[in-house]
Amino acid sequence: EAQVTQNPRYLITVTGKKLTVTCSQNMNHEYMSWYRQDPGLGLRQIYYSMNVEVTDKGDVPEGYKVSRKEKRNFPLILESPSPNQTSLYFCASSVQGQPQHFGDGTRLSIL
Amino acid sequence: GQQLNQSPQSMFIQEGEDVSMNCTSSSIFNTWLWYKQDPGEGPVLLIALYKAGELTSNGRLTAQFGITRKDSFLNISASIPSDVGIYFCAGLLVGKLTFGTGTRLTIIP
Repeated sequence: EAQVTQNPRYLITVTGKKLTVTCSQNMNHEYMSWYRQDPGLGLRQIYYSMNVEVTDKGDVPEGYKVSRKEKRNFPLILESPSPNQTSLYFCASSVQGQPQHFGDGTRLSIL
Repeated sequence: GQQLNQSPQSMFIQEGEDVSMNCTSSSIFNTWLWYKQDPGEGPVLLIALYKAGELTSNGRLTAQFGITRKDSFLNISASIPSDVGIYFCAGLLVGKLTFGTGTRLTIIP
């Protein structure tokens, strides 16, 4: 089954404790991206990757890092999380230029 | 960062009514997309539009890519209970996907 898998689905943590949210896709897609969703603001793109070893900033990249060492994985790293990064996060993948398939989301709470 | 102006923010309709929502932008896009999101899930693609002026249907859904490439609309005909949810427009330009703020659709029994 074609899917985008995010882990964990839920996480409560504390300010400053580094965390990684993993994203994996099994569709051999070149393109992957990360979004955060906040009430009243819709989804905003954090980072995207057009292919392995190629990453670019989206609209809200501050406080986040990504890496794309292999095609199927695109982890989102919060080196020093802060409460304003409490949000619902989505990973997505696609063939270049095509509509994106979204994962089921990761709800992060940073205290 | 840019966001798209999506309206209305919310709609309360009766089952069987038609629905119309739209998105406008100050920038042009190569592709317009419409997604639906149910509670606790990721957005699911409804319709994709690739060409200015294009009109595309998917069952009871019809969407159009504006001639100026800066707007799009989505119509839902004869609404049914499972249409309830949040609808998002999105504009795609190269690798950047920009979303509207969403239209929440509620069906009054």
